[in-house]
Amino acid sequence: GAVVSQHPSWVICKSGTSVKIECRSLDFQATTMFWYRQFPKQSLMLMATSNEGSKATYEQGVEKDKFLINHASLTLSTLTVTSAHPEDSSFYICSARDRGAETQYFGPGTRLLVL
Amino acid sequence: AQKVTQAQTEISVVEKEDVTLDCVYETRDTTYYLFWYKQPPSGELVFLIRRNSFDEQNEISGRYSWNFQKSTSSFNFTITASQVVDSAVYFCALSEPRDSNYQLIWGAGTKLIIKP
Repeated sequence: GAVVSQHPSWVICKSGTSVKIECRSLDFQATTMFWYRQFPKQSLMLMATSNEGSKATYEQGVEKDKFLINHASLTLSTLTVTSAHPEDSSFYICSARDRGAETQYFGPGTRLLVL
Repeated sequence: AQKVTQAQTEISVVEKEDVTLDCVYETRDTTYYLFWYKQPPSGELVFLIRRNSFDEQNEISGRYSWNFQKSTSSFNFTITASQVVDSAVYFCALSEPRDSNYQLIWGAGTKLIIKP
C-alpha cells in the first residue's frame, strides 16, 4: 500500500515552454500533497504544500506564478512549471499523506532539463 | 527551533561490515515524529521507519535497526552485514503534530557507499 506515482519521470523541453508534472496517490486518499525540489547532492527543499480543494501554500522564495500547483482531487496533484528556463532544471519530487497520517509517501520523481 | 543534523556527509564501508548513521534532532515539542528515508541512485525516496516521541523502544527490521534516545535527542540507524544494495543516501527527518500538515524537517542526508 501507500503507492505514489509521478509522471513523467523525465522531461526535456525548450526554454519558454510550460511543463506539467502529475502526482497521483494510487491506493489511498491524499489529503495533503507536497512538492519538493532537490538539487544534486542536497537535501529536499519543500516548495509548497497543498490540501485537496484548497490553494497551495508556497514556501518563502518560491514563485507562485512560476510553479502552479493544483490539487483538484484526493488522488491527483499537478505542478506546472510555467515558461521554464534553464535554472528551473532540477529533480522534482511529490509526496502525499492521508488524513490523520503522519507519514509522507513519495513519488519516484521527475527530472526536468530545460535547454 | 526545529532542526535535524546528520553530521556524516559520506560513509564508505566494505560489504558485510556494520555501519551506523547518526541523526540528532532539535524540537521544542514533547510530541513529534522521526523518520528515516532511503534514496537510492534512482532518486525515489523509500520510507523506512516512523517513530513517535513516546515510543523509545528500539526497533529491528531484518538487517536494519534503529536506536531512539530522547536523552541525547538522537535517532540512529544501524545496518548490520551491509550489502552493496544498501548504497544510497539516507535522510533523517522530523515532523510535529502542531503543524497539521506534518511537514518534514530534513537532515542533510548521509551518502552510504558499500564497496564489494
